[in-house]
Amino acid sequence: QVTLRESGPALVKPTQTLTLTCTFSGFSLTTTDMCVGWVRQPPGKALEWLARIDWNGDKYYSTSLKTRLTISKDTSKNQVVLTMTNMDPVDTATYYCARIRHSGGFLDYWGQGSLVTVSS
Amino acid sequence: EVVLTQSPGTLSLSPGERATLSCRASETVRSPYLAWYQQRPGQAPRLLIYGTSSRATGIPDRFSGSGSETDFTLTISRLEPEDFAVYYCQQYYSSPLTFGGGTKVEIK
Repeated sequence: QVTLRESGPALVKPTQTLTLTCTFSGFSLTTTDMCVGWVRQPPGKALEWLARIDWNGDKYYSTSLKTRLTISKDTSKNQVVLTMTNMDPVDTATYYCARIRHSGGFLDYWGQGSLVTVSS
Repeated sequence: EVVLTQSPGTLSLSPGERATLSCRASETVRSPYLAWYQQRPGQAPRLLIYGTSSRATGIPDRFSGSGSETDFTLTISRLEPEDFAVYYCQQYYSSPLTFGGGTKVEIK
């Protein structure tokens, strides 16, 4: 059974760095074709892809946010970590992690999401 | 990057009716790399369709996907009460991965 769970702060101040952790089970990020990505959704708005890390260590980032994002993995802990620097109130959103199948690029399992509010 | 435009923005239908949702890409997307998701209020998105037309595990056969190149369609043959939700298309033929803006299917 594949599960993913996001964890991190619910509230961050403007200019701070956000660190989110995705802890997963039911698959390994050392297995070919397995990737983990992050997607966010501002309240009432559409989904926005942020970043992805592959089983082989390749990393991909949103074009518009790549200067602020870093994704990494700890395969021994089954965790993927996303950091986003210089947070702004417009970054207020629910942040999801999801498993991505490299062969098709689709997100087949999602976490329940973590709401992050950026406010002073 | 590939821009996905979904239409209509909102679809007002009654249970039992057929829903046809459109997703248009700004450039060609090869069929293995087009997916659809359903998002109910307060829930995470759920994969419905991948590879343009393959249903994900546990997805009922009233959901079907079709299309090619720049025009893709999600069809719900007969709407059930639990189908009233927001639907997103997504591509990964061209990096970066992108989502459409969503179509809300609401009860008429």
